[in-house]
Amino acid sequence: GENVEQHPSTLSVQEGDSAVIKCTYSDSASNYFPWYKQELGKGPQLIIDIRSNVGEKKDQRIAVTLNKTAKHFSLHITETQPEDSAVYFCAASTQGGDKVIFGPGTSLSVIP
Amino acid sequence: DTGVSQNPRHKITKRGQNVTFRCDPISEHNRLYWYRQTLGQGPEFLTYFQNEAQLEKSRLLSDRFSAERPKGSFSTLEIQRTEQGDSAMYLCASSFPLAGNYANTGELFFGEGSRLTVL
Repeated sequence: GENVEQHPSTLSVQEGDSAVIKCTYSDSASNYFPWYKQELGKGPQLIIDIRSNVGEKKDQRIAVTLNKTAKHFSLHITETQPEDSAVYFCAASTQGGDKVIFGPGTSLSVIP
Repeated sequence: DTGVSQNPRHKITKRGQNVTFRCDPISEHNRLYWYRQTLGQGPEFLTYFQNEAQLEKSRLLSDRFSAERPKGSFSTLEIQRTEQGDSAMYLCASSFPLAGNYANTGELFFGEGSRLTVL
């Protein structure tokens, strides 16, 4: 089955700097790659996603890139703000959105 | 619509007891998922339904766990003869299926979870 790895497990950045989180997946059939943000005491919330027919997607300060050949994808957050502090999960799924498999998470701290 | 609702939010039980969690999804969503999350880990897939049909169940899920969605609306997750290793946050999510025409995004909408502590 699908296995998603993620690193780093923790990341601290100064406010205004960029943060990068990297993930790899194992199942070449996966073609949908969402990213979720989880704040303390809450369920994960989708922040951005990318499908395998595109290599990059951007939404304001957040961008994701996908390299299908290498089976890895990344999340880039620019101009980080304290409210970006949270745990971020990458995930992978096959067409049809059956089960979504999550990575272990990255705890991001943005230092004011 | 108030989103995905889970009850109870917290449950403390003694080892060997049975517990049941309930999830009320967003009403228009036909898919419902159960995940388990332990501290410092990502959500671990348990099972999912499309309408009332249970389409997949994790091989990691022991037979002490059972989930139902009898009318394709709310779902229950029951854990029988609880063990200390069952202590975790149990998350429910709902969605439309990710269709080939991308009309539905496949986004999972999570509830706030039900935290289980087994003493």
